[in-house]
Amino acid sequence: NAGVTQTPKFQVLKTGQSMTLQCAQDMNHNSMYWYRQDPGMGLRLIYYSASEGTTDKGEVPNGYNVSRLNKREFSLRLESAAPSQTSVYFCASNVAGTYEQYFGPGTRLTVT
Amino acid sequence: GENVEQHPSTLSVQEGDSAVIKCTYSDSASNYFPWYKQELGKRPQLIIDIRSNVGEKKDQRIAVTLNKTAKHFSLHITETQPEDSAVYFCAASMNTNAGKSTFGDGTTLTVKP
Repeated sequence: NAGVTQTPKFQVLKTGQSMTLQCAQDMNHNSMYWYRQDPGMGLRLIYYSASEGTTDKGEVPNGYNVSRLNKREFSLRLESAAPSQTSVYFCASNVAGTYEQYFGPGTRLTVT
Repeated sequence: GENVEQHPSTLSVQEGDSAVIKCTYSDSASNYFPWYKQELGKRPQLIIDIRSNVGEKKDQRIAVTLNKTAKHFSLHITETQPEDSAVYFCAASMNTNAGKSTFGDGTTLTVKP
């Protein structure tokens, strides 16, 4: 099992550019999450998907969109990147009803 | 929504000493409280968790206590070792929200040899 995988590992964007962060899990988990982690702060939830076909906003959704493509994959899109979106992005997943979350390795995004 | 506060933000101890990290939460509906360890440049990993129907849980050198009335929970690490140095995060979850968690801001623990 690869667990939770994320691509890319690193990305540099210019202000206004768009990109999609990819996340996949092979543990047959129902729920998937996108968090951002800024220096000196905890993880803040951007969006989550309780099950295939559903998505909901988290604490900091502005500037992002998500797609739950199928049970395995949950992507995060930045339509027009801003310097304030410079952060490390973590995807996570868990089986519904068991709340231990498994995290991916993270994507370090810099917006200049 | 839920608010989780974590203290201290940094903690330095001598090897072999104990370390205690405390968190408070605001929503009495929260019923699951995990602790994650994050080493530099790595992903967060669960080290211990506790549910609201339990007051204390122990796993070797780490333990977690929960006071539902006061809405706070703590992580205790005994006989600390240099490899315990990392950032530790507490979190709170409700089972009505698909397990989504609200995290504290983290505690950077340094264990000096």
